[in-house]
Amino acid sequence: NAGVTQTPKFQVLKTGQSMTLQCAQDMNHNSMYWYRQDPGMGLRLIYYSASEGTTDKGEVPNGYNVSRLNKREFSLRLESAAPSQTSVYFCASSAPGGVNSPLHFGNGTRLTVT
Amino acid sequence: RKEVEQDPGPFNVPEGATVAFNCTYSNSASQSFFWYRQDCRKEPKLLMSVYSSGNEDGRFTAQLNRASQYISLLIRDSKLSDSATYLCVVNIRGNKLTFGTGTQLKVEL
Repeated sequence: NAGVTQTPKFQVLKTGQSMTLQCAQDMNHNSMYWYRQDPGMGLRLIYYSASEGTTDKGEVPNGYNVSRLNKREFSLRLESAAPSQTSVYFCASSAPGGVNSPLHFGNGTRLTVT
Repeated sequence: RKEVEQDPGPFNVPEGATVAFNCTYSNSASQSFFWYRQDCRKEPKLLMSVYSSGNEDGRFTAQLNRASQYISLLIRDSKLSDSATYLCVVNIRGNKLTFGTGTQLKVEL
């Protein structure tokens, strides 16, 4: 049972380059999320998708775009990477139940922008 | 004031000790509370939900104090394998969960 799978695990970009982080879940969850984690700060929500076909901004959406391709997949795109986007990115999913449902996280993507 | 606040630690305790962490939250209307565990350079994993009446899972006990707006996590008989960062998670606003910055626990021989 794979759970939540993220790719890639590591990535180094130059300022201005673009890339897409991929995320897929096999738990038939409706809701999916993208978080970033920086030292000294809690995980911060970038974007989320409550169901297939819908996406909403979280706390720190600037510089990012997302696509909920189908129920399984939720991708995060950096159009023009900046050093401030150096971070660890986590994808997560949750079952119906809103905030009462715990989050299941992927392994994370460590992104460095130089 | 942070919306979800935790003492970053580290808490250094000997094996077998009892240790407790608190987490304060800003919104008195919050309804959902969790403790997650995060090992170094790994993803957060759910440790336990926190229920109004308090709940226990083996050596772990979670409690909610609505009057003072904090939740707590008590770990009894600490093991080396309990060394990790413990994240407090609360729904501060609507249907989104807000994470604390975490409390680091180091259990030593």
